[in-house]
Amino acid sequence: DAKTTQPNSMESNEEEPVHLPCNHSTISGTDYIHWYRQLPSQGPEYVIHGLTSNVNNRMASLAIAEDRKSSTLILHRATLRDAAVYYCILRGFSSGTYKYIFGTGTRLKVLA
Amino acid sequence: NAGVTQTPKFQVLKTGQSMTLQCAQDMNHEYMSWYRQDPGMGLRLIHYSVGAGITDQGEVPNGYNVSRSTTEDFPLRLLSAAPSQTSVYFCASSYGDSLAPLHFGNGTRLTVT
Repeated sequence: DAKTTQPNSMESNEEEPVHLPCNHSTISGTDYIHWYRQLPSQGPEYVIHGLTSNVNNRMASLAIAEDRKSSTLILHRATLRDAAVYYCILRGFSSGTYKYIFGTGTRLKVLA
Repeated sequence: NAGVTQTPKFQVLKTGQSMTLQCAQDMNHEYMSWYRQDPGMGLRLIHYSVGAGITDQGEVPNGYNVSRSTTEDFPLRLLSAAPSQTSVYFCASSYGDSLAPLHFGNGTRLTVT
């Protein structure tokens, strides 16, 4: 099963950019990189996804390394509402399975 | 649009009791899955389904059964509850392709005493 590795926790000051890293060295050519976040006492919610090119949406940006073995979720201006656990997962047909493994994610703390 | 609906929101069981956690989605999603989340931990995949009549095991399937008789519903059965199954359970669904985001329910908090 494709796996991702993320730091357990990170801190950021409010209004500053945050770069959340994810390593996925076993990624296959057909795997998409998805990011989700989980606010306290809620289910995870989708943030962004990409395959090879960098992606932007209203919530965040996703920067993907040229070799695709790592990616970075960028929150341009962190707010207190961005404090959450962020998960990076791979979605695709590697090994012919649909096992989407979330791991432990990165707990982001935003300081006022 | 209701999205992914999980019932009940809370449940307390005694060891050895059985119960079914319900998950329903109204988005015509082919893919559905169940995760458990222990306190302070990440999500672990229990079982998943890629369509009606098709199910497969995830990372931690022992002690749980699933079936998928319709596209809309994906119930999770605990045949004989154990304290180790105390957790928050999340159901997720999506279209079958890799682009589609997973949609999660609000979870069922289960306590086994």
